[in-house]
Amino acid sequence: DIQMTQSPSSLSASVGDRVTITCQATQDINNFLNWYQQKPGKAPKLLIYDVSNLERGVPSRFSGGGSGTHFTFTISSLQPEDVATYYCQQYENLPRTFGQGTRVEIK
Amino acid sequence: EMQLVESGGGLVKPGGSLRLSCAASGFTFSTYSMHWVRQAPGKGLEWVSSITSTGHYIYYADSLKGRFTISRDNAEKSLYLQMNRLRADDTAVYYCAKDRNLYGSGSLVLDVWGKGTTVIVSS
Repeated sequence: DIQMTQSPSSLSASVGDRVTITCQATQDINNFLNWYQQKPGKAPKLLIYDVSNLERGVPSRFSGGGSGTHFTFTISSLQPEDVATYYCQQYENLPRTFGQGTRVEIK
Repeated sequence: EMQLVESGGGLVKPGGSLRLSCAASGFTFSTYSMHWVRQAPGKGLEWVSSITSTGHYIYYADSLKGRFTISRDNAEKSLYLQMNRLRADDTAVYYCAKDRNLYGSGSLVLDVWGKGTTVIVSS
């Protein structure tokens, strides 16, 4: 199985800060990497697909990058509504796997 | 508006069975792969199963094989998950989700999610 390891597990930042989350895969996932946002009590929401493609309607402050086994997710200017848990997910191999999540809070 | 509505969750004893349903609307259901993802209380997301648009290809998480069965009825625009021999560690919110990619076989890009249905396995 491909393990997806996110870091940090949680972070606290100020409004307007640049926030970056990393996701490391245990093998090359050929850019089959997505990012989701989950707010408390809600279903996840697709933000970024295939490493760097912004889903329709998602604010441009969200972006993704990376390749091979190392990927990043960035919020360029953290907003109060961005408080959530963020997950990476690969679909290169079965079983499909998610990272353990990164909780983002406002300082 | 694309929408998915799950139903069928509830409290069941260990060893029991449940059938989850997911009703789709607002998109051409028969042209997209569909998926189940679950989330145990306080835990992260776990992929459960996927089925391609025609139902020809089906995939399961290894830990679930033989106990869970995914199926779909394109005429009824519905997705199902039959869960047998349930265990306490199957307790979770179960989400139905649509794949973003048209006819995407082997894809898992989940662009539409239901609100989830809660399954509790307890004696």
